[in-house]
Parts: sequence; C-alpha cells; structure tokens
Amino acid sequence: EVQLVESGGTLVQTGRSLRVSCTASGFPFGDYGVSWVRQAPGKGLEWVSFIRSKAYGGTTEYAASVKGRFTISRDDSKSAAYLQMDSLRIDDTAVYFCTRVRTVGGTPTIVDFWGQGTLVTVSS
Amino acid sequence: EIVMTQSPATLSVSPGERATLSCRASQNINNRLAWYQQRPGQAPRLLIYGASTRATGIPARFSGSGSGADFTLTITSLQSEDFAVYYCQQYNNWPFLTFGGGTKMEIK
Repeated sequence: EVQLVESGGTLVQTGRSLRVSCTASGFPFGDYGVSWVRQAPGKGLEWVSFIRSKAYGGTTEYAASVKGRFTISRDDSKSAAYLQMDSLRIDDTAVYFCTRVRTVGGTPTIVDFWGQGTLVTVSS
Repeated sequence: EIVMTQSPATLSVSPGERATLSCRASQNINNRLAWYQQRPGQAPRLLIYGASTRATGIPARFSGSGSGADFTLTITSLQSEDFAVYYCQQYNNWPFLTFGGGTKMEIK
C-alpha cells in the first residue's frame, strides 16, 4: 500500500525557519518525483515545489511565491523528502501535503498519491 | 500561468441523483487534466487523469470528459460518501501545476 506520511508541522514565528518531512513506503521511492502542495485554512490547493528522481538529476522547481525561501530535497536511502522553509511569512500558514508524482522519461505527469498533510502555522 | 476555473462553486444534489461539474482552462492543456476528491479533514484523492481515465479503485459512477480547455466530471447516482470538494488540476505546464478553486458538493 502506498503511504506518504508528513511530519514536522508546528507553530512558528514570522521570519523563522522550519523543516517538514515526508516518509514514503509501499513503492520504489527513488523512481518517483515528489511535490509539495499546500492548502491555506479554508482555501484551495497551491503547488509549492517539485523534485525529480535522481535518475533525472534530482533537479528542483519552485512556485514564485516561495522561490528563494524554500528548499526541497530528498534522501532516497530513507525514502524521505523534505521541505526546508526559511523566512516564513504569515501567508505561508497552510497544511503542507507531500505528493507522489509519476514521471515519463523524466517529465512529470500525474500527482497520484497524497499524504495526510502537516499543519504549519506562522504567527507574529 | 494557466488559470483553472471551476463551476459552480457549490452544487446541491440529492443522493441518487447525477452531478455535473465543470472545469475550464485559460488555454489548451492537451487533455492533461486531473480531478481530485477531498473529503473534510482528508487528503485529496486522485479520481481521473488524462481528462477521462479513472484512477485505480475509482468506481465507474465517476467519469471525466472534455478536451482542449473545457472539461466535465460527472458523478452518477450520488452516494453519501461522494459529498466532498472536487478540484481539477492541469499538468500540461509542469512544473507549474495549477488547480481550480474547487466545487463543493453538498446534500440537497
């Protein structure tokens, strides 16, 4: 059974840093891309970041709203992905979902599984 | 950025009836369109990809259609567990995934 479990969400002050983690099981983690998607309270879904599998360079992408502040990474030996969030702002408050991304020849396609999410609350 | 627009924002339907949800992209997305269901307090679940292909384990009462920039999710014979929020998402413009604002399906 495919599982993605996020952790690390908490209450943090504006300007501080936080790292959230995602641990995967039930599939060959290294063969897939990983994206983080967030959902502010009562709002819709916003794509945040993506990392390719090592076979395709492990390269990363970011939404404009977080570029330069957030860093996505992965450790395939632990079947884990991370999102390092620096210079946090009030509007970063959201549930952060870790998602599995199918790729075809290195090109990401479908987001097919989601974790349950971890809540990050940024307060002044 | 490709903007995804869903309508209606809220849909009131009786159990057993049929529901039709719409999603429009701001440009042609080559059928790279997915639909997700999100129940309260839960993660989104993939229902449909490629505009019309059901994901593994998704009941046949869910169907997707459309092409180009206009898409529809149809749910026939609504069950109690189908009352949720539905999102469409384009994946034609990776890595810049964009989602629609969602349609909340509520019991009439």
